[in-house]
Amino acid sequence: EIALTQSPGTLSLSPGERATLSCRPTQSVSSTYLAWYQQKPGQAPRLLIYGASKRATGIPDRFSGSWSGTDFTLTISRLEPEDFAFYYCQQYDTSPPTYTFGQGTRLEIK
Amino acid sequence: QVRLQESGPGLVTPSGTLSLTCTVSGDSVSNNAWWWSWVRQPPMKGLEWIGEIHHTGATYNNPSLKSRVTISLDKSKNQFALQLSSVTAADTAVYYCARGNEYSWNWWGQGTLVSVSS
Repeated sequence: EIALTQSPGTLSLSPGERATLSCRPTQSVSSTYLAWYQQKPGQAPRLLIYGASKRATGIPDRFSGSWSGTDFTLTISRLEPEDFAFYYCQQYDTSPPTYTFGQGTRLEIK
Repeated sequence: QVRLQESGPGLVTPSGTLSLTCTVSGDSVSNNAWWWSWVRQPPMKGLEWIGEIHHTGATYNNPSLKSRVTISLDKSKNQFALQLSSVTAADTAVYYCARGNEYSWNWWGQGTLVSVSS
């Protein structure tokens, strides 16, 4: 079973700064099957990025996804106050079909 | 606008069966493009996929939940349902229904808290 390790656990930044969040799988994951979600307290997760780098409908272009080798990154170019939240990466494994989430990164205001 | 709404008891007794329904509007559970899933989140913890169903009747479940999970579809009501048997306190969580494909989930319900307690 593939596990996803997100780092850091907590990221403290100020509005206007750049945020870089990491997601590392324990085995190779196709970029096609890697997604990122944002979750605010009391709300359902919201899809930000799918296919490692494709923005979901309505997601601002300050959010971007990328990968290098086996590691995946979510970047928020300039933090807005509403961006402070939890972020989860998620992967899909085809055999057997299963989905796994990372443990999450908390992005907090410094 | 797609909307998903979870409903069901907020309290289940230990060893009992948790039953939830997700009502879909703005789309059809018979839409071949989508899989209909359940995801849960224990208090102050991360997300865990429970299982999914397609209108063809195909289902896949999280192996960690073994055979406790049953997901079904009611096309006449445009709903899908979750049953989780032999529940314990560890099954206390917010349960979400969601629409997705093999890549990700693009629509979610608001979630419903289910507590397991006597």
